[in-house]
Amino acid sequence: GQQLNQSPQSMFIQEGEDVSMNCTSSSIFNTWLWYKQDPGEGPVLLIALYKAGELTSNGRLTAQFGITRKDSFLNISASIPSDVGIYFCAGQREATGANSKLTFGKGITLSVRP
Amino acid sequence: AAGVIQSPRHLIKEKRETATLKCYPIPRHDTVYWYQQGPGQDPQFLISFYEKMQSDKGSIPDRFSAQQFSDYHSELNMSSLELGDSALYFCASSLRLNTEAFFGQGTRLTVV
Repeated sequence: GQQLNQSPQSMFIQEGEDVSMNCTSSSIFNTWLWYKQDPGEGPVLLIALYKAGELTSNGRLTAQFGITRKDSFLNISASIPSDVGIYFCAGQREATGANSKLTFGKGITLSVRP
Repeated sequence: AAGVIQSPRHLIKEKRETATLKCYPIPRHDTVYWYQQGPGQDPQFLISFYEKMQSDKGSIPDRFSAQQFSDYHSELNMSSLELGDSALYFCASSLRLNTEAFFGQGTRLTVV
């Protein structure tokens, strides 16, 4: 089945540092989304990407949709303690119908040291 | 802004009992997705609905059923509960032509 690969499983950074997370797939997705999840809470949408090559920012977050449509990265700049959480990438093949479900990566747990 | 509302937030059931989880999508959203997330796992797709019709089905057990009602809210019905059904259950909603899916806060189901 379709799988999204995120690694490493955990990242530890110092407050104020930048961090980059990558997400790759063996198959094409037409939409990439990045979510952040706090323990016991629902995933919160951070950034959605709809076009290959698209670069989108949301505050300190920047994400890009790879040209091949098989990868995406998320950058967080000047990290702060509240950036702690699990970051999931998710891919969607079609906007509607039978392939509109989101396929998630395994997530990266980010820890920020004060 | 209104978000996806799920109820209940927490539910404890015994084995072989039934449970019903409810999801109220963001107003005007016509698509609902259900996901199951085990401890330390990524969300796994169960089922989705668009305009009250099932649009896609994932790894949903036959013991589970779901539907979307005329007011677009959705219910996930779970019967013959097993210990392994203990998980967080999330509902997400979106507009058909807008692929951004927004998640609710989830229902934590514990089967004892």
